[in-house]
Amino acid sequence: DTGVSQNPRHKITKRGQNVTFRCDPISEHNRLYWYRQTLGQGPEFLTYFQNEAQLEKSRLLSDRFSAERPKGSFSTLEIQRTEQGDSAMYLCASSFPKGRGTTEAFFGQGTRLTVV
Amino acid sequence: AQSVAQPEDQVNVAEGNPLTVKCTYSVSGNPYLFWYVQYPNRGLQFLLKYITGDNLVKGSYGFEAEFNKSQTSFHLKKPSALVSDSALYFCAVGGFKTIFGAGTRLFVKA
Repeated sequence: DTGVSQNPRHKITKRGQNVTFRCDPISEHNRLYWYRQTLGQGPEFLTYFQNEAQLEKSRLLSDRFSAERPKGSFSTLEIQRTEQGDSAMYLCASSFPKGRGTTEAFFGQGTRLTVV
Repeated sequence: AQSVAQPEDQVNVAEGNPLTVKCTYSVSGNPYLFWYVQYPNRGLQFLLKYITGDNLVKGSYGFEAEFNKSQTSFHLKKPSALVSDSALYFCAVGGFKTIFGAGTRLFVKA
């Protein structure tokens, strides 16, 4: 397995356009997370899935943001009517709960979005 | 609500000296604690975790962390720093979702 894969790696878009990012998690992982990271800051939680069910959305995730994981495998994150404030690195992570408690998340390299 | 705090924006240490990167947490119940490292233009990499058991946790690249319940701390340590350890380090508290601190930049000088 090659780890968590995110596409595209970079995206430049004009304000007002829609963008969609894709994340392919590690195949046996049933949890998938989306985070947003701005320069010099820690990743901010956006949302997460357990298989195909979206279990939690952060208040950071406005109505312009939507995420799906239709078959419990890959996930997409769409941003509609992009704004300059959406410029950030969007990180995807996956994990597989095992045993007691939780396990670490494995991160992709992220998609860097620049809204001009 | 759970949270973590990393009180230092940057830590400077000379190569060969011990290093400590500080982290304190706030959770209700038992904490699941993690350290991640981020190198330039690369994704976050897992270093180590505390779920239960021994308070001293050993991880990748010679790093270790000490869980202190009374002080609600989970400081990252390494006995002898390398220049290649220079990176951005994140403490995190997990459960169904993982919440990250703001990060501490470690600079190891040759």
